[in-house]
Amino acid sequence: EIVLTQSPGTLSLSPGERATLSCRASQIISSTYLVWYQQKPGQAPRLLIYGASSRATGIPDRFSGSGSGADFTLTISRLEPEDFAVYYCQQYGGSMWTFGQGTKVEIK
Amino acid sequence: EVQLVQSGAEVKKPGESLKISCKGSGYSFSTSWIGWVRQMPGKGLEWMGVIFPSDSDTRYSPSFQGQVTFSVDKSISTAYLQWNSLRASDTALYYCARHGAGFQNWGQGTLVIVSS
Repeated sequence: EIVLTQSPGTLSLSPGERATLSCRASQIISSTYLVWYQQKPGQAPRLLIYGASSRATGIPDRFSGSGSGADFTLTISRLEPEDFAVYYCQQYGGSMWTFGQGTKVEIK
Repeated sequence: EVQLVQSGAEVKKPGESLKISCKGSGYSFSTSWIGWVRQMPGKGLEWMGVIFPSDSDTRYSPSFQGQVTFSVDKSISTAYLQWNSLRASDTALYYCARHGAGFQNWGQGTLVIVSS
């Protein structure tokens, strides 16, 4: 089983600041199969990034993904009030898919 | 528009059985994997497994293998998640999601409460 470890657990930032979220895999994975989701309270998750770096339909360009091998990053260039939420990475290579434990981005 | 509509909230007693549903529309139901995701109260997302409606090919997370059963009825574009004997620890919000490159579309979630 591939374990995804997200850091930090909580990120306290102000609107307008840059957010950098990390997702580290326990083994090398194909970037094709690394995705990021956003989840707001009381809502289902929403796909943000697929293939490690491609934005899903309708996702603003302040969201970007990068990385390869076992280290991946989600960057929010300038936080808007609606971006304060929990973010999850997920990998789906092979027969066992896994989520990271999540990073909460909260207002400082 | 792609939509996944899940069945309503359930309150059950330990030991009871349950089957919840997820109806897809706006896309070719048979040719996209459907996944199930558990979210326990105040916790993160857990991948339970996926099913491919065309041939019912199924992959379970080891954590859920033998505890739940996935099935589909292609004639009505509906996927199911079933328990034969619920436990209090099954109390959670359960999402279905359509997989493309990642889970592109999500249902609204079905809350399952198991309490004596």
